[in-house]
Amino acid sequence: AQSVTQLDSHVSVSEGTPVLLRCNYSSSYSPSLFWYVQHPNKGLQLLLKYTSAATLVKGINGFEAEFKKSETSFHLTKPSAHMSDAAEYFCVVSEGYQLIWGAGTKLIIKP
Amino acid sequence: GAGVSQTPSNKVTEKGKYVELRCDPISGHTALYWYRQSLGQGPEFLIYFQGTGAADDSGLPNDRFFAVRPEGSVSTLKIQRTERGDSAVYLCASSPHVGLRTFNEQFFGPGTRLTVL
Repeated sequence: AQSVTQLDSHVSVSEGTPVLLRCNYSSSYSPSLFWYVQHPNKGLQLLLKYTSAATLVKGINGFEAEFKKSETSFHLTKPSAHMSDAAEYFCVVSEGYQLIWGAGTKLIIKP
Repeated sequence: GAGVSQTPSNKVTEKGKYVELRCDPISGHTALYWYRQSLGQGPEFLIYFQGTGAADDSGLPNDRFFAVRPEGSVSTLKIQRTERGDSAVYLCASSPHVGLRTFNEQFFGPGTRLTVL
């Protein structure tokens, strides 16, 4: 069975410093992996997706993620945090239409 | 263009009552999904429609929950005899089409926050 573990429930960084949100997955197939972002009182938005092409995936708003099969990881990074990045981030693994979600990481940006 | 919309945005009801939650998907999207998100958790799959039929309803927690999509567009999630444990945000998503081994981006609505007193 597929599963997703987000290693941190909260991450706090200062504005302008790098962001790292960690995600590990288990999957018996070559997985499709995604990061979604949820801003307060807003719908979920797809940040980026990995579907077995390049292992380094670039998304919106300067975010990127690297698929590492040997480590079963798909960590999300951004070189420089902005106040508008404050939100909840979800790592997701899928097989077809089924999305399996991590519990989420709340990103807090300090001024 | 218009995204996925859900009504109402908030619903407060009493234990034992019946509620209906509505989802308007993006026009032309054949696939529609319902999820439930409890506080501090990721969304939990409930049901998936391909067109008018429920292709997978394995996530519905029990027979108090039911969903329909009679004309292949708007969907209604129905909850009978609500319980306090049903309190959550109910999310709807749609996608253009989907195959068994391909992913199609799911576009989410803002959700309906259900509170059962």
